[in-house]
Amino acid sequence: RKEVEQDPGPFNVPEGATVAFNCTYSNSASQSFFWYRQDCRKEPKLLMSVYSSGNEDGRFTAQLNRASQYISLLIRDSKLSDSATYLCVVNSNNNDMRFGAGTRLTVKP
Amino acid sequence: GAGVSQSPRYKVAKRGQDVALRCDPISGHVSLFWYQQALGQGPEFLTYFQNEAQLDKSGLPSDRFFAERPEGSVSTLKIQRTQQEDSAVYLCASSSLRGQGLGEQYFGPGTRLTVT
Repeated sequence: RKEVEQDPGPFNVPEGATVAFNCTYSNSASQSFFWYRQDCRKEPKLLMSVYSSGNEDGRFTAQLNRASQYISLLIRDSKLSDSATYLCVVNSNNNDMRFGAGTRLTVKP
Repeated sequence: GAGVSQSPRYKVAKRGQDVALRCDPISGHVSLFWYQQALGQGPEFLTYFQNEAQLDKSGLPSDRFFAERPEGSVSTLKIQRTQQEDSAVYLCASSSLRGQGLGEQYFGPGTRLTVT
């Protein structure tokens, strides 16, 4: 079983839709959590960190559930430019960043 | 300002050939990371440097893989006797912080290695 698991998708949604991705992790000692965005044939870029209390950045909301060991990302009012692969990233105490395989999102007009 | 740069962007190697991949991190960044990304997968951690010290090389898949950062800035990932399973994108990332979990890593564009 992989340490970080994501639904690979693809998620195909119309513009303006709300879409949510989940990510589960197996290491209960994990301390830090992030969502990165990767466009096709480009490098990953940090989208947002995920805090225990949950956090919001514009149309994006991230939640962490430590008890169930999952992280979520909610995108409201989807834009065409949101089309990308979203990578869930988890860090444990041993200084080891683990990336999920990513969830592919396509927003259609 | 300048981001992380990597060279070459593309490399085709014949099986058994040695390759060297270069990473220029953001100036002043203490931490440097190498990742391997296979098609359709997320990046897999290879190794981590803090300045010139290689603090973690647990992700290097075999002793054919070797990385160095002798002066604490530019880093080179070397793969000896390349095999077809080494074909992947090799990503370099840097961070101003020490350690992996403290914040944003800035990634370079990657080197796409194809072993024929």
